[in-house]
Amino acid sequence: GAVVSQHPSWVICKSGTSVKIECRSLDFQATTMFWYRQFPKQSLMLMATSNEGSKATYEQGVEKDKFLINHASLTLSTLTVTSAHPEDSSFYICSATPSGGEEINIQYFGAGTRLSVL
Amino acid sequence: GNSVTQMEGPVTLSEEAFLTINCTYTATGYPSLFWYVQYPGEGLQLLLKATKADDKGSNKGFEATYRKETTSFHLEKGSVQVSDSAVYFCALSWGGYQKVTFGTGTKLQVIP
Repeated sequence: GAVVSQHPSWVICKSGTSVKIECRSLDFQATTMFWYRQFPKQSLMLMATSNEGSKATYEQGVEKDKFLINHASLTLSTLTVTSAHPEDSSFYICSATPSGGEEINIQYFGAGTRLSVL
Repeated sequence: GNSVTQMEGPVTLSEEAFLTINCTYTATGYPSLFWYVQYPGEGLQLLLKATKADDKGSNKGFEATYRKETTSFHLEKGSVQVSDSAVYFCALSWGGYQKVTFGTGTKLQVIP
């Protein structure tokens, strides 16, 4: 099956620093990738939709200058949390949708990145 | 807007017991419905899906039927195993890019 790799799995950083999270589709090309945030005991909240070669589409209430998304290739999207603060501590999950074929409408998920901001 | 409501967990069952995890949804139009499973330390995996009313999705012994009249997509399995212990998410998708709305997840614990 399709595999999505997310790195790092856990990161601890100081308040005010920036953190980059990578999401890679390992065995398929993904025109569209999604970034989610998950709080403890809560559902996944869609943050933004990332389209290869164009600007990401952010959901209402998500600060685009705070959460920078780059989708420079068909296999890689990155999320950078800029000037991180403790309230940004959360579990971030990416997903990718194959560019073609029968599974074009199925999202494949990474294992997630736990961000802890001190 | 679109939303998904699923039963709170954790759900604790003995091995070989019958499982039902309830899921209801609110949506405009005709969404596709999914169940995802998240095993400890892993990403979400698609368990099954249904794209139109009365469709039944099934996989690994799990089943769910798209009930438009009751706006439900309940997950069932006749005999659970310890290896089924995980968090189960009900979800719906809509739109050209298949944006997904998730329920809060239900943790299932199966004890020997």
